[in-house]
Amino acid sequence: GAVVSQHPSRVICKSGTSVKIECRSLDFQATTMFWYRQFPKQSLMLMATSNEGSKATYEQGVEKDKFLINHASLTLSTLTVTSAHPEDSSFYICSARLGTDYEQYFGPGTRLTVT
Amino acid sequence: GQNIDQPTEMTATEGAIVQINCTYQTSGFNGLFWYQQHAGEAPTFLSYNVLDGLEEKGRFSSFLSRSKGYSYLLLKELQMKDSASYLCAVRDITAGNKLTFGGGTRVLVKP
Repeated sequence: GAVVSQHPSRVICKSGTSVKIECRSLDFQATTMFWYRQFPKQSLMLMATSNEGSKATYEQGVEKDKFLINHASLTLSTLTVTSAHPEDSSFYICSARLGTDYEQYFGPGTRLTVT
Repeated sequence: GQNIDQPTEMTATEGAIVQINCTYQTSGFNGLFWYQQHAGEAPTFLSYNVLDGLEEKGRFSSFLSRSKGYSYLLLKELQMKDSASYLCAVRDITAGNKLTFGGGTRVLVKP
């Protein structure tokens, strides 16, 4: 299957700082990338959908000014958590797909801890 | 919106069979996926159903009834490594084919 990578796999940051997470599709061009957040013992919650070259669409309750998403190329999307707080500590997972009718492939996830 | 329900936890014995049910309500059903997720890792794809019936893949099978809004994942000959969370996800064509996940079912396999 297709490969999606995320970097970093783990990050610890201080409260008030910003953290950038990268998501790359390694062997296909992803017209759409998705960002999910998963708290312990909970399921994946979709945060936003990002289409290459256009603004991301955020799910209800997700602050677009806090979670900045950029999808500047067909192989790279970034999620920046701005002014992070301890409650933002979570497992962030991206996924990518070639097109609307194609399967989604998940990245390995990024564990964010805000101290 | 969508409503996807699955049991929170199940326990089974090594070598046994476990069936994880998933019920859903969605306006534009366009497929149901099952994923396995070990703690601290990303989900891995197990199966996909878009038509009614049973799909079999080795020890794992998945069933779908669109009229009932119901699916199940059947795990046979359970192994200790099958201890994980199993996520049911539904794709909605009226929402750009986004996936919405159920809460996940944690399966604990005991010796």
